[in-house]
Amino acid sequence: AQSVTQLDSQVPVFEEAPVELRCNYSSSVSVYLFWYVQYPNQGLQLLLKYLSGSTLVKGINGFEAEFNKSQTSFHLRKPSVHISDTAEYFCAVRSNTGNQFYFGTGTSLTVIP
Amino acid sequence: DGGITQSPKYLFRKEGQNVTLSCEQNLNHDAMYWYRQDPGQGLRLIYYSQIVNDFQKGDIAEGYSVSREKKESFPLTVTSAQKNPTAFYLCASSILPGPYEQYFGPGTRLTVT
Repeated sequence: AQSVTQLDSQVPVFEEAPVELRCNYSSSVSVYLFWYVQYPNQGLQLLLKYLSGSTLVKGINGFEAEFNKSQTSFHLRKPSVHISDTAEYFCAVRSNTGNQFYFGTGTSLTVIP
Repeated sequence: DGGITQSPKYLFRKEGQNVTLSCEQNLNHDAMYWYRQDPGQGLRLIYYSQIVNDFQKGDIAEGYSVSREKKESFPLTVTSAQKNPTAFYLCASSILPGPYEQYFGPGTRLTVT
């Protein structure tokens, strides 16, 4: 089975500052990795995904993430955040042989004007 | 537009009543999922289905039931046996098999009093 740990439940950051949201996973098999964003009272929207190949993946809204196999991490970064980035962010993993997705408990990002 | 619809957006019920949440997708995805979301707990899997007329229990299936009579529909019934049904419910779908993400509906907020 797989598991996902999001190390920070809340991250406050000032507008135009950089941000990193941390995600670590545990799995005995190869996995696919995802970051989703959720705005209040809405469903989840895919930000980016790592399937294979280049370890640096770019997503929507200026976000990027780096897959580190040795550290089993998939941290999400943005060089300059906007007020509109205030939301809940979820890291998820799916094994390359299974059909279930495993989610972290989420990180609440608050951008301060 | 292809996507997942959940209805209604908000649902209110009296304690002791069963209630059915609707989930429809027109993405032609094989797999469909139901999650429950509570503050600070991330997404918890209730049920998932990989094919019509077949479904599997997730981590918190007690007090819930589902059916999958059509590929595009996966309704969830919250029964009176569910001890604490008030929550945000999310439906998702995915292509099987392979390196694909989940697509989410907008969610249904259920309040039971």
